[in-house]
Amino acid sequence: EAQVTQNPRYLITVTGKKLTVTCSQNMNHEYMSWYRQDPGLGLRQIYYSMNVEVTDKGDVPEGYKVSRKEKRNFPLILESPSPNQTSLYFCASSTPGVGGGNSPLHFGNGTRLTVT
Amino acid sequence: DAKTTQPPSMDCAEGRAANLPCNHSTISGNEYVYWYRQIHSQGPQYIIHGLKNNETNEMASLIITEDRKSSTLILPHATLRDTAVYYCIVRPRFGSGAGSYQLTFGKGTKLSVIP
Repeated sequence: EAQVTQNPRYLITVTGKKLTVTCSQNMNHEYMSWYRQDPGLGLRQIYYSMNVEVTDKGDVPEGYKVSRKEKRNFPLILESPSPNQTSLYFCASSTPGVGGGNSPLHFGNGTRLTVT
Repeated sequence: DAKTTQPPSMDCAEGRAANLPCNHSTISGNEYVYWYRQIHSQGPQYIIHGLKNNETNEMASLIITEDRKSSTLILPHATLRDTAVYYCIVRPRFGSGAGSYQLTFGKGTKLSVIP
């Protein structure tokens, strides 16, 4: 089954303790992205990657790092988490569509992070 | 800023058609209209997209006005499981770089399907 898999689904941590949220897709998609969702603010893009070893900042990249060493994986790294990074995180992937159209973004089921 | 305008909420009786409107008056010729929905706190789910012609798939129909300034998502026979927030998004055609992949989510329409 084609899917985007995030782990863990729930994570509670303390301020300053480094953590990694993993994201893996089995669709051979070139494009991957991370979003965070907060009440009243909607979904905002953190980082994205157009392909292996190609990453770039989204709208809210501060406090986050990413890497894209393999096509299928796109981990999100919080080197020193803070309470304002408490949020619901989504990973997504996509690929160029046929004939110039866009392939839809496929989303994972989310990771709910709480930083105390 | 989101380039679309949607009503914040709508109700629909179970079994009836749900018609969700969206205004995108500033849409450009190379932009598609996409619809996603988010059930509770799950990942957004793709529903349908179109450029200028009406589209239909197993989930829904998309009606785009001739001037492309608005569209309507139609769920033909709404069920309780269709209760969700529905997002209308305009997105550049592939070939415009990273921006053609990015989705800018607005606040969407919270659809409540009533038994």
